[in-house]
Amino acid sequence: DTGVSQDPRHKITKRGQNVTFRCDPISEHNRLYWYRQTLGQGPEFLTYFQNEAQLEKSRLLSDRFSAERPKGSFSTLEIQRTEQGDSAMYLCASSPGREVLYNEQFFGPGTRLTVL
Amino acid sequence: GQQVMQIPQYQHVQEGEDFTTYCNSSTTLSNIQWYKQRPGGHPVFLIQLVKSGEVKKQKRLTFQFGEAKKNSSLHITATQTTDVGTYFCFSGGYQKVTFGTGTKLQVIP
Repeated sequence: DTGVSQDPRHKITKRGQNVTFRCDPISEHNRLYWYRQTLGQGPEFLTYFQNEAQLEKSRLLSDRFSAERPKGSFSTLEIQRTEQGDSAMYLCASSPGREVLYNEQFFGPGTRLTVL
Repeated sequence: GQQVMQIPQYQHVQEGEDFTTYCNSSTTLSNIQWYKQRPGGHPVFLIQLVKSGEVKKQKRLTFQFGEAKKNSSLHITATQTTDVGTYFCFSGGYQKVTFGTGTKLQVIP
């Protein structure tokens, strides 16, 4: 399968715990995006990378959230001290090329986080 | 900041009827993309529009980008049950990555 993969698919954690999600983009896609989606809402932009550089981070993202893409391939999204409001589907997408203007995004299946 | 609103939020149609969703922006958009998300699935790319007034067709789907590049529409002719899902518009550019609020389409057989 050459699509975008995410791991784990589901995560249940207790409030206050740290969680880390992984995203493997389509090979040779140099742009990688993280989104958060809650029920009935559109994907909410969190951050994106051009290769290993984090180019933008949404101001909606608190200091508890951090993302990395150390070698310009896979990426991780960590949430520290989780809160119940963090419960959502976390989507990763990748796209080829340098300009988001001309490139479609390919989405992974998402990681569903439930914070108890 | 850039906001992209979609109307309607929900639409129920009888199978065979037409459906249209509209995407409106408060600022000029550099491009517009449309995605479809089936229930329980992830967004899947449908089309991209770049030019002012551009119209593109995919079988029963017609996509339009406004002359002022502030709005866009997706029209489905003769809906089928396979069209069920939520349709999102998306606009991307440097420091302006935004999904619309989405239109959820239900098709009644």
